[in-house]
Amino acid sequence: DAGVIQSPRHEVTEMGQEVTLRCKPISGHNSLFWYRQTMMRGLELLIYFNNNVPIDDSGMPEDRFSAKMPNASFSTLKIQPSEPRDSAVYFCASRFEDYYNEQFFGPGTRLTVL
Amino acid sequence: AQKITQTQPGMFVQEKEAVTLDCTYDTSDPSYGLFWYKQPSSGEMIFLIYQGSYDQQNATEGRYSLNFQKARKSANLVISASQLGDSAMYFCAMREGMYNNNDMRFGAGTRLTVKP
Repeated sequence: DAGVIQSPRHEVTEMGQEVTLRCKPISGHNSLFWYRQTMMRGLELLIYFNNNVPIDDSGMPEDRFSAKMPNASFSTLKIQPSEPRDSAVYFCASRFEDYYNEQFFGPGTRLTVL
Repeated sequence: AQKITQTQPGMFVQEKEAVTLDCTYDTSDPSYGLFWYKQPSSGEMIFLIYQGSYDQQNATEGRYSLNFQKARKSANLVISASQLGDSAMYFCAMREGMYNNNDMRFGAGTRLTVKP
């Protein structure tokens, strides 16, 4: 199993540019999560999907952030326009909804907005 | 409201000794799961151990054990025989209502440094 795949691993962009982060969950997993990690705020849940449907997006900072999951094997997190305060590591995680519900994390995307 | 509390920002331990990382949680749901993750300097999140609220025994995984005290709402991670490779951030997490579509919430983390 390849695990959760995220791309790109590193992204450097300028303020005002659009940024798209991508995630491929583990095959068979039906829940997907986007987290943001910063030194100041720790690990924050941004949004999560179950069976491709957004369940809770209350953690999305503002309208500049949007997430989609068009099918069970792909999700995107988009920031438009990006700002320096969006600089963080963005993790995608997936799990299968059963009793033992460990979440598997991707390697993360380190985003730097200049 | 903060549901997962890790009160130790940083901890030091001598190599080969045991160390306990504290975690307390708050929930009114009788069904929940508790998790510990390790994040080394390379950045990936590595699952270590899981404890369900109905589990009768404390979870163990190799050198990791979870000291689960349900009445006190604590789920401390015990690492025995510390190794230099254990130096990392450690996060406690909880998921409420295991059969529902609920997300996992994380504590602020504890940075463990193992001294040679």
